[in-house]
Amino acid sequence: GAVVSQHPSRVICKSGTSVKIECRSLDFQATTMFWYRQFPKQSLMLMATSNEGSKATYEQGVEKDKFLINHASLTLSTLTVTSAHPEDSSFYICSASPGGQPQHFGDGTRLSIL
Amino acid sequence: DAKTTQPNSMESNEEEPVHLPCNHSTISGTDYIHWYRQLPSQGPEYVIHGLTSNVNNRMASLAIAEDRKSSTLILHRATLRDAAVYYCILRDASYNQGGKLIFGQGTELSVKP
Repeated sequence: GAVVSQHPSRVICKSGTSVKIECRSLDFQATTMFWYRQFPKQSLMLMATSNEGSKATYEQGVEKDKFLINHASLTLSTLTVTSAHPEDSSFYICSASPGGQPQHFGDGTRLSIL
Repeated sequence: DAKTTQPNSMESNEEEPVHLPCNHSTISGTDYIHWYRQLPSQGPEYVIHGLTSNVNNRMASLAIAEDRKSSTLILHRATLRDAAVYYCILRDASYNQGGKLIFGQGTELSVKP
């Protein structure tokens, strides 16, 4: 079945560091991928839609200069949290779908900023 | 996106059936009803979806009310591995938003041995 892989699964870094998270579709091509953020005991919040070959579409209230998204190929989207601060600590999850099928989610990246 | 309402939490005993309700009174004619679940510290996984008729797959059954204003996810025999947060989500059939999903609060299901 369709698989979406995220890397790294966990990252701990100092405040002010930029962190890159990768999302790969392993056995299908995805022109669109989605990035979500989830705080403890809360639901997933959609951050942005990653579009292959064009700019990402950000949801209201999400800073595009803070959360840089690049979707340079049909199997890879990256989310970079720039100058991360403790309030950016969260569980980041991506998803993609092989064309009209239900979304497949990665296992998430737990980001902890000290 | 049309809104769904689910109970915050439910409890079940192992090996008994579980009925997880979802209300979606503002559903439109082109909205599919999707169910996903999220196990602790993992990304969500697809469970089942339907439009009007009841649906069955290896994971669960989906019962949809005749007026489509509510639906019920049925786990026929709950196991400890079914303990998760279950999300009921409406998704437009045209996928005109590229398939993005808007998650509500979901129902946290706990399963007792």
